[in-house]
Amino acid sequence: NAGVTQTPKFQVLKTGQSMTLQCAQDMNHNSMYWYRQDPGMGLRLIYYSASEGTTDKGEVPNGYNVSRLNKREFSLRLESAAPSQTSVYFCASSWRGESNQPQHFGDGTRLSIL
Amino acid sequence: GESVGLHLPTLSVQEGDNSIINCAYSNSASDYFIWYKQESGKGPQFIIDIRSNMDKRQGQRVTVLLNKTVKHLSLQIAATQPGDSAVYFCAERNSGYSTLTFGKGTMLLVSP
Repeated sequence: NAGVTQTPKFQVLKTGQSMTLQCAQDMNHNSMYWYRQDPGMGLRLIYYSASEGTTDKGEVPNGYNVSRLNKREFSLRLESAAPSQTSVYFCASSWRGESNQPQHFGDGTRLSIL
Repeated sequence: GESVGLHLPTLSVQEGDNSIINCAYSNSASDYFIWYKQESGKGPQFIIDIRSNMDKRQGQRVTVLLNKTVKHLSLQIAATQPGDSAVYFCAERNSGYSTLTFGKGTMLLVSP
């Protein structure tokens, strides 16, 4: 039972390069989320998809785009990477966001932008 | 591992002690709360949750207490073990919304 799988685990980019972070879940969850985590800070929501076919901005969406490819997969794209986007990125999924069910997380993508 | 623990409040305990980690939440309209554990290099792992119509919920070695009057949440870990060393986050969900708001976390260090 893989849960939430993120690829790649590590990536180094140069400023201005583009990159897509991949996320897939095998729990038949409806809702999926992308967060970033910076040192000493909690998780901040970038974008989320409450259900297949919908996406919404979170707290820190600038510089990112997302695609809910199907029920299983939710990707995060950096079109022109900036050093401020150096962070650890986590994908999560839940049965339904408004239900009393927890989100389940992948192990993250560690992204460095030089 | 990454430095997710920099500048976090830290609780240091001895193995076998009971630990209490506290969290003040911000929104009186929040109706669902979750505690997560994050080990170095890993994603947050669900520990226990509680709905706002409850004051207490127990799991295996863990208890969550909710005080809505003062908007306070606590996680109690009984007989703390070195494997409990991690960063612990609380999260709240505003009623009617589908997203969570996370606290900044507390680092728990357990000495043998």
